[in-house]
Amino acid sequence: DAGITQSPRHKVTETGTPVTLRCHQTENHRYMYWYRQDPGHGLRLIHYSYGVKDTDKGEVSDGYSVSRSKTEDFLLTLESATSSQTSVYFCAIGSTGYEQYFGPGTRLTVT
Amino acid sequence: AQKVTQAQTEISVVEKEDVTLDCVYETRDTTYYLFWYKQPPSGELVFLIRRNSFDEQNEISGRYSWNFQKSTSSFNFTITASQVVDSAVYFCALSGFNDYKLSFGAGTTVTVRA
Repeated sequence: DAGITQSPRHKVTETGTPVTLRCHQTENHRYMYWYRQDPGHGLRLIHYSYGVKDTDKGEVSDGYSVSRSKTEDFLLTLESATSSQTSVYFCAIGSTGYEQYFGPGTRLTVT
Repeated sequence: AQKVTQAQTEISVVEKEDVTLDCVYETRDTTYYLFWYKQPPSGELVFLIRRNSFDEQNEISGRYSWNFQKSTSSFNFTITASQVVDSAVYFCALSGFNDYKLSFGAGTTVTVRA
């Protein structure tokens, strides 16, 4: 199994509060990704990183920001959480054209 | 833009039946990659297979087999002699040449009843 952990695994927060999710990898992989999973949509890319301090937007990036100050850590921040951001969030690592390996997921509920 | 369609939302079978999951994709790239993932009830995503666009050979791995047909833009997945442990959501995904992301289908929920 790829060494990917996510924290927290579960979180309940209130609308309007900031939330940060953490992804940590021990594979020293250059590429890291944040996806969200919602019923009927599969997984959709939020942001990705192709190196330390190098990040870019995915298809559903509005309301999210990311940071990567170390190779092993990729943080996802919801600047002001909304109910539409209730979802399961997955972090992944993987190279272009190859399979991605996913962390265990974080279930976020915004009330 | 890449698009993956899994038309079957849910499939329910009795143990030992075969089940085929359909995956149809759209891409403008001539080189691309196709994937299947399994998500059991525990929630993790498990990689099953990767196939590149210039290799149309079908593949078999135990009770799992995959049929890639470029002419119909399909990459179907068959579970032979299904077992209760095969109950999961299965996702088909696509990435284009030099594409950084995976584009996922909506998933097919397979329920295998004992």
